[in-house]
Amino acid sequence: EDQVTQSPEALRLQEGESSSLNCSYTVSGLRGLFWYRQDPGKGPEFLFTLYSAGEEKEKERLKATLTKKESFLHITAPKPEDSATYLCAVQALGGATNKLIFGTGTLLAVQP
Amino acid sequence: EPEVTQTPSHQVTQMGQEVILRCVPISNHLYFYWYRQILGQKVEFLVSFYNNEISEKSEIFDDQFSVERPDGSNFTLKIRSTKLEDSAMYFCASSGDYGNEQFFGPGTRLTVL
Repeated sequence: EDQVTQSPEALRLQEGESSSLNCSYTVSGLRGLFWYRQDPGKGPEFLFTLYSAGEEKEKERLKATLTKKESFLHITAPKPEDSATYLCAVQALGGATNKLIFGTGTLLAVQP
Repeated sequence: EPEVTQTPSHQVTQMGQEVILRCVPISNHLYFYWYRQILGQKVEFLVSFYNNEISEKSEIFDDQFSVERPDGSNFTLKIRSTKLEDSAMYFCASSGDYGNEQFFGPGTRLTVL
């Protein structure tokens, strides 16, 4: 069964304190891995898509990387406005399926 | 910047009543989806829709659920007879192509009493 596990469940950082969030996945074949940001009571906001091992994407203080088993979201010198839940999702190869399979997310709190 | 919109933002209904949740996907997108998120749980796939038909549905999407694209802009999710356990945030999403990133709307919070 295709599955996504994210860790840690929650992370509290001081402003400027860099860290990484982990997303490990098991899927029959990976079409793509997606990172989203979700603010309370809002819909997921697209951040990155990664398609193959070794690929990296960057946006401001965020960098996403991908291996054959996991992805990391690195946050460099975070600010309080980076506080949110970060969701990882995978899309499997094959057939008609283009559904996203989500993990439970990492709740990030950045304190000033 | 184009975005997915959803109405209403909050819907309260009595158990057994029918509800229709509405979405306007991004205008040039071809693939449409509904997901739901029960409070404190993960986002779950319900159904995908392409070329005016369902392309995939999950086990959650039983006979009580239906989707429709009644015109060129709207995409709706109908729950025929709501249950208490249908209470959740319902998100509509759209993508421009198969396998591309999906863009989500702000959600409709459904409360079934």
